[in-house]
Amino acid sequence: AQSVTQLGSHVSVSEGALVLLRCNYSSSVPPYLFWYVQYPNQGLQLLLKYTSAATLVKGINGFEAEFKKSETSFHLTKPSAHMSDAAEYFCAVSSAGRRALTFGSGTRLQVQP
Amino acid sequence: GAGVSQSPSNKVTEKGKDVELRCDPISGHTALYWYRQSLGQGLEFLIYFQGNSAPDKSGLPSDRFSAERTGGSVSTLTIQRTQQEDSAVYLCATGLAGVDEQFFGPGTRLTVL
Repeated sequence: AQSVTQLGSHVSVSEGALVLLRCNYSSSVPPYLFWYVQYPNQGLQLLLKYTSAATLVKGINGFEAEFKKSETSFHLTKPSAHMSDAAEYFCAVSSAGRRALTFGSGTRLQVQP
Repeated sequence: GAGVSQSPSNKVTEKGKDVELRCDPISGHTALYWYRQSLGQGLEFLIYFQGNSAPDKSGLPSDRFSAERTGGSVSTLTIQRTQQEDSAVYLCATGLAGVDEQFFGPGTRLTVL
């Protein structure tokens, strides 16, 4: 069985501040982990993915995430928030045995000027 | 375009009517997924097609839901005797076999009155 927990349904940061969105997963087999972003009234766009290669994964728009097996975490970070980063972010897990994504409940990121 | 397309973008129907939602995948993508995004339930997996294999229907919420994929390309999700709780955004995603990245369409917003 797979599950994802995203801590914090809403996160607010100032422009230029560090962005940290938390994701913890549960999986009985080696996981594949993803972060997707959803802008208002749009579909989901892949930010980055972990599929058992490097544990520090760099994605688009300056985001990165680190896979920590000991903590079962895959937190998303960005050193300096931009107004255009305001969106909803979803962490998701799949595996070789279950390709369908299991999503977390999402975190809405607000960026204050 | 080169992305996943879905039609219609919006669908309003009356309770008890049947609806069909369409997904056109990215050319060459053998994997196709349907998900549902609703306020109460978040993002949920519905069904997964991979090539000519039997689909994984484990996410379908009731026997009113069905889907088919003709010729390994276009997919149709059918909801019979719609209920108000079926109101949601239905998302289609496609990908390559053996590769875990899924590309999402813009979704169909279904409203059941």
